[in-house]
Amino acid sequence: GAVVSQHPSRVICKSGTSVKIECRSLDFQATTMFWYRQFPKQSLMLMATSNEGSKATYEQGVEKDKFLINHASLTLSTLTVTSAHPEDSSFYICSARDLAGAATDTQYFGPGTRLTVL
Amino acid sequence: KQEVTQIPAALSVPEGENLVLNCSFTDSAIYNLQWFRQDPGKGLTSLLLIQSSQREQTSGRLNASLDKSSGRSTLYIAASQPGDSATYLCAVTEYNFNKFYFGSGTKLNVKP
Repeated sequence: GAVVSQHPSRVICKSGTSVKIECRSLDFQATTMFWYRQFPKQSLMLMATSNEGSKATYEQGVEKDKFLINHASLTLSTLTVTSAHPEDSSFYICSARDLAGAATDTQYFGPGTRLTVL
Repeated sequence: KQEVTQIPAALSVPEGENLVLNCSFTDSAIYNLQWFRQDPGKGLTSLLLIQSSQREQTSGRLNASLDKSSGRSTLYIAASQPGDSATYLCAVTEYNFNKFYFGSGTKLNVKP
């Protein structure tokens, strides 16, 4: 099946620094990618929808200036957490919709990135 | 706004038992419903996808049913094994599969 990768898998940073997380579709093209955040013992919450070549659509309550999303190609979306604070520590998961999504109706999820802000 | 609830939050069973996980959603206007498995610290593995027009899907020891009108789905696991231990998430999508709404999951522990 289709594979989505994330890099890095784990990152620890100091408060106030910025962290970039990459999401790649390895064997298919994804016009749309999604970013989720998952706090311990809670479910995934959609943060934003990333569309190739256009601005991301953010969910209510998500600060677009803090969580910068770039979807520069059909296989890569990046999430940058700017001026990270300890409360941003979480598990970030991306998913990608296959370009043939209308027929396959499938999104593929990445393995996640554990962010710890000290 | 769509809300997805999963019951129970945690479940511990002995190996070999058949079990049922429950998922309910508040808005029946869904596009499809999907069951996922999540191992600790890992991403999601899709188990079963049920289109809104379908009533059930089966894969091996797993069977998922969907009653859209009542806003309910169940995941049935037959002859559970320790390797089935994980958190099981259900999610519904709306509007042509663009947005997932996840439940909070059921953490399953199958004891040898």
